[in-house]
Amino acid sequence: QKEVEQDPGPLSVPEGAIVSLNCTYSNSAFQYFMWYRQYSRKGPELLMYTYSSGNKEDGRFTAQVDKSSKYISLFIRDSQPSDSATYLCATAGGTSYGKLTFGQGTILTVHP
Amino acid sequence: GAVVSQHPSWVICKSGTSVKIECRSLDFQATTMFWYRQFPKQSLMLMATSNEGSKATYEQGVEKDKFLINHASLTLSTLTVTSAHPEDSSFYICSAPTSGRGNEQFFGPGTRLTVL
Repeated sequence: QKEVEQDPGPLSVPEGAIVSLNCTYSNSAFQYFMWYRQYSRKGPELLMYTYSSGNKEDGRFTAQVDKSSKYISLFIRDSQPSDSATYLCATAGGTSYGKLTFGQGTILTVHP
Repeated sequence: GAVVSQHPSWVICKSGTSVKIECRSLDFQATTMFWYRQFPKQSLMLMATSNEGSKATYEQGVEKDKFLINHASLTLSTLTVTSAHPEDSSFYICSAPTSGRGNEQFFGPGTRLTVL
């Protein structure tokens, strides 16, 4: 079993839709949770960084962490074609300082 | 956010040659940097942790004699792929944490290596 599971999609939605991206993880030591956006042939761009359970909102993006169920989510409101990219969840914590464990990534396409 | 650069952005080399990739933190100092490899349509896999002033630590299965890492200063880490072979062709990405929030990583733009 992978430490972080993420549905690779692909996910295709119309412009303006609400997008829900999800990951599950198995290591209860993880305390830091991140979402990255990666455009083709580019490095990942940090979107959201959260610690422990709870919600965090930044513009059209909302990250949710539920440590009791080991479930993390990213919601994108009013999705735009420019949001089309691969979204990667990542976790860290425990004794592995700075080491990130990534999900497989979900390919998102927002069509006009 | 913090800025991390990589050079070159892409490189093509012949089998058996060595290739050096640079990773720089542009507006902050990084005592630790990380090197990842990403194959097409796959996620990032951590290869090694680069430590300024000491030896790099490698993940299980990564050959340290093949992937040489040197953290020359607080803003520069280099990855050298020695005696490259076609199976080493991949997208190599470095990252660096800003101080105080070690798990908040900023990634470079990546280097696409093609070995012929």
